[in-house]
Amino acid sequence: QKEVEQDPGPLSVPEGAIVSLNCTYSNSAFQYFMWYRQYSRKGPELLMYTYSSGNKEDGRFTAQVDKSSKYISLFIRDSQPSDSATYLCAMTKNTGNQFYFGTGTSLTVIP
Amino acid sequence: NAGVTQTPKFQVLKTGQSMTLQCAQDMNHNSMYWYRQDPGMGLRLIYYSASEGTTDKGEVPNGYNVSRLNKREFSLRLESAAPSQTSVYFCASSEATSGRAGQFFGPGTRLTVL
Repeated sequence: QKEVEQDPGPLSVPEGAIVSLNCTYSNSAFQYFMWYRQYSRKGPELLMYTYSSGNKEDGRFTAQVDKSSKYISLFIRDSQPSDSATYLCAMTKNTGNQFYFGTGTSLTVIP
Repeated sequence: NAGVTQTPKFQVLKTGQSMTLQCAQDMNHNSMYWYRQDPGMGLRLIYYSASEGTTDKGEVPNGYNVSRLNKREFSLRLESAAPSQTSVYFCASSEATSGRAGQFFGPGTRLTVL
């Protein structure tokens, strides 16, 4: 079983929709959770970063962590065509240097 | 700041050839990483360096070697390229040795091995 599972999609939504992207994980030692956005043929770009459980908001983006369910989410409000990209979740433990990535969800926002 | 830079952007090799991928960061980060990204496989860690002078194997180290030349630079070497090493290679850096601050990625090197 992979340590981090992410639905690959693809996900297609109309402009202005609320998008929900999710990851599940199996290792309760994960403490730090990240979301990356990757445009086609580019490197991943760090979007959101949270520690432990709870919510974090940054503009149209909200990251949510539920450690009891081992489930993390990224919500995008008022989605724009420029949000069309692949979204990767990642997580790491309190110690050590390894990051564990989901395989990414491909999102298309249709004008 | 340029962030994380990688050279070359593209490379085509024949089986058995060798090459070195270069990575540099100007954010004064301690930790640096090399990943490969393949369709359906996500990002897989090849090697990482927690600090200058140290390197450790990741998930898929076979066929690769690395050198942490100084705090800024971390290179990845393919000694004898194989078609299975056709991939997109990303270098990343992170401020904290435990990775608590997240990682910053370079633009990638697209490698094809014929």
